[in-house]
Amino acid sequence: GQQLNQSPQSMFIQEGEDVSMNCTSSSIFNTWLWYKQDPGEGPVLLIALYKAGELTSNGRLTAQFGITRKDSFLNISASIPSDVGIYFCGIQGAQKLVFGQGTRLTINP
Amino acid sequence: EAQVTQNPRYLITVTGKKLTVTCSQNMNHEYMSWYRQDPGLGLRQIYYSMNVEVTDKGDVPEGYKVSRKEKRNFPLILESPSPNQTSLYFCASSILSNSPLHFGNGTRLTVT
Repeated sequence: GQQLNQSPQSMFIQEGEDVSMNCTSSSIFNTWLWYKQDPGEGPVLLIALYKAGELTSNGRLTAQFGITRKDSFLNISASIPSDVGIYFCGIQGAQKLVFGQGTRLTINP
Repeated sequence: EAQVTQNPRYLITVTGKKLTVTCSQNMNHEYMSWYRQDPGLGLRQIYYSMNVEVTDKGDVPEGYKVSRKEKRNFPLILESPSPNQTSLYFCASSILSNSPLHFGNGTRLTVT
């Protein structure tokens, strides 16, 4: 099946720092998605990207769809305690959504 | 409120005892899917359903069954659970197969 490489696997930062994570795939895809999973809950969609080169923001979050259509990154600016959780990238195929391994974000106050 | 509801949230059972995890969505979505989440492996798809009476295997279907008799329900069945099926399970749905998924809150299953 399709494989995604998401990095880093975990991050430990101070409150107020910026965060950056990325995903790469071995194939070209037309849709990249970023989800966040809070502790004890299911993943929730943060940002959807549908066009190569597209840069989309959602509050303090910014995500970009790579120009090669094989990668995407997610940035979080000025992190706050509620940003803690696991972030997943996902690629949308015809019949399923394939996820990266996740980036676990921990914030020290 | 639009949502995907899974039950139970937590389940501890023994090897070989059949169990069913229910999933229901109230958004009239055509597409539904089951994932399991394991540390270091992310979310892996077990089964999916494109519409009523249409189901197909995902990446890790062994040991699982599903059914889609009605549009809103998509139960996950473990006929003979084994310890390697201890995991966190998520049901999800979307309008179409290529639309972003909406997830339930998960079912944590422990098989001893």
